[in-house]
Amino acid sequence: AQKITQTQPGMFVQEKEAVTLDCTYDTSDPSYGLFWYKQPSSGEMIFLIYQGSYDQQNATEGRYSLNFQKARKSANLVISASQLGDSAMYFCAMREAGGTGGFKTIFGAGTRLFVKA
Amino acid sequence: DTAVSQTPKYLVTQMGNDKSIKCEQNLGHDTMYWYKQDSKKFLKIMFSYNNKELIINETVPNRFSPKSPDKAHLNLHINSLELGDSAVYFCASSQDLSYGEDTEAFFGQGTRLTVV
Repeated sequence: AQKITQTQPGMFVQEKEAVTLDCTYDTSDPSYGLFWYKQPSSGEMIFLIYQGSYDQQNATEGRYSLNFQKARKSANLVISASQLGDSAMYFCAMREAGGTGGFKTIFGAGTRLFVKA
Repeated sequence: DTAVSQTPKYLVTQMGNDKSIKCEQNLGHDTMYWYKQDSKKFLKIMFSYNNKELIINETVPNRFSPKSPDKAHLNLHINSLELGDSAVYFCASSQDLSYGEDTEAFFGQGTRLTVV
């Protein structure tokens, strides 16, 4: 079963506007971590922001903020004041117990963001 | 200094060959991973090692054999390569959650494997 769902395969946003990338997750663990990564066309994976399941406040990192709604199991990424360099694939990820004493980070299918000039 | 480095960056080989991809991290992390990213950009975890011990093996054919000589290295050896193995393989590392801190996974730059 899909544990991380990103329902938007592609998104367009006008430069300087804000955009929200959706992510919902499914887990029965009380403790987990949620992450967003950016993958530009060059291919590297760039960490953007992290939210812990027990964090009371939404995480923010510069122009990135995570809209964490625990009861709805959603962790949407908000990018404010979009820039042309924000055009990339964005992956939502969750770290949870791997079932064998370890942990694993699993990824959603990604959302490709296009920023228009 | 590169935090997580993998070599080679590109690998083109014929079907049936055996190849290895090397990964090293200088972050002092306890956990290392291998991920496979297919042509549709889907990232799937393959293996997770913690302090040189295999923790997670996610339904990967046994042609894929990870080796961790020490906690800073996690190499991936692939036997009898098939066309479907063509993908980008990412190595990553993270700090063990048991220390009470949850940190992001740091990724290598990826190895693009093409099997012809």
